[in-house]
Amino acid sequence: AQSVTQPDIHITVSEGASLELRCNYSYGATPYLFWYVQSPGQGLQLLLKYFSGDTLVQGIKGFEAEFKRSQSSFNLRKPSVHWSDAAEYFCAVGGYGGSQGNLLFGKGTNLSVKP
Amino acid sequence: DTEVTQTPKHLVMGMTNKKSLKCEQHMGHRAMYWYKQKAKKPPELMFVYSYEKLSINESVPSRFSPECPNSSLLNLHLHALQPEDSALYLCASSQGGLAGRYEQFFGPGTRLTVL
Repeated sequence: AQSVTQPDIHITVSEGASLELRCNYSYGATPYLFWYVQSPGQGLQLLLKYFSGDTLVQGIKGFEAEFKRSQSSFNLRKPSVHWSDAAEYFCAVGGYGGSQGNLLFGKGTNLSVKP
Repeated sequence: DTEVTQTPKHLVMGMTNKKSLKCEQHMGHRAMYWYKQKAKKPPELMFVYSYEKLSINESVPSRFSPECPNSSLLNLHLHALQPEDSALYLCASSQGGLAGRYEQFFGPGTRLTVL
């Protein structure tokens, strides 16, 4: 069965430090992969996506993610975190299930940023 | 215009009330989605409309009734809700049909409280 795992429920980093949020997936074919960010009480904003091609993808707000097929991972990174990056981050796989219209979300990682 | 709008932003209703949530997009997207999100959880898919036809109903109770009057508009009619239905209701849209490779654009959500 398809699954998306975000192993870290909560992460705290200092402002200016680097960040890596982990995401592992289980999917039978080449997945469509997404990272979304959600600020408290807000909707989800797409940070970046991977469909095919270059395995290092650049997104908005200085985020990037690397697709590693051998490790079934799609980890999100940022070299220097800003206080405004504190939010909930969701990794998602698109196209799962018979309908192919669904997004399968991980449980999310809550990011706190220390001053 | 690259946004999905949702009204109202907040809604408080009693268990005997009838109310509606509204979602609108003007990006020419042909798939629209309703999600329910409880605190500290990922969004759960409720309904998907593709080309104005209901394509997915994720076994949602009949007290939730979706409607897609046209390609830009999506409503969620609420009747006889229970307190456990209190949540953030998110609308999303994506271009094309149900292909999972299309990124979904999310609205800011309606915060629903059922008393």
